[in-house]
Amino acid sequence: GAGVSQSPSNKVTEKGKDVELRCDPISGHTALYWYRQRLGQGLEFLIYFQGNSAPDKSGLPSDRFSAERTGESVSTLTIQRTQQEDSAVYLCASSSGLALTYEQYFGPGTRLTVT
Amino acid sequence: GESVGLHLPTLSVQEGDNSIINCAYSNSASDYFIWYKQESGKGPQFIIDIRSNMDKRQGQRVTVLLNKTVKHLSLQIAATQPGDSAVYFCAENYGGSQGNLIFGKGTKLSVKP
Repeated sequence: GAGVSQSPSNKVTEKGKDVELRCDPISGHTALYWYRQRLGQGLEFLIYFQGNSAPDKSGLPSDRFSAERTGESVSTLTIQRTQQEDSAVYLCASSSGLALTYEQYFGPGTRLTVT
Repeated sequence: GESVGLHLPTLSVQEGDNSIINCAYSNSASDYFIWYKQESGKGPQFIIDIRSNMDKRQGQRVTVLLNKTVKHLSLQIAATQPGDSAVYFCAENYGGSQGNLIFGKGTKLSVKP
């Protein structure tokens, strides 16, 4: 079946602009995760959803970052007033549940470049 | 704060040799560990996991070793192939929920033909 998809694959934006990144999880996966990966670095956890609910938003780097999920499907990560330090690959993953027995499946990521 | 780290940022091996990728973790409460493989331009892919009540787990050509005494995790790849070239990340978890995965910085494995 189809895997996790993300769009756009690449986004170049000017400093100060808002951007919206989209994630389409695997159908039926109730858990969805967003990560940020800076060049040459590991994954930085941002937020997760169980259904449409995000129990813990403390991983978001600042109040310029927000995420939502509707219909237990698509999720969007919005970055307002982008800064150059926001440049990174943003990865989305989904799993059948939150328990560790469920594997996370990752999308290919959106590469965001803020100029 | 506590974090997952890696001993070697890059590793170059000859095709057919065995590879060993190391990872140190500092959170003694972590009870679950995962190794991921990330090929260029792709998202990470699960390779193998291990719980803290085990010290060794084997998969297909891969073995994960956990040494809780020194808080060390390693991934061994047998008969390394060119297709194994990628960045390998370890991740630790505590609390039993996938919302608490903490990733290391990664080791880049290059396989020479």
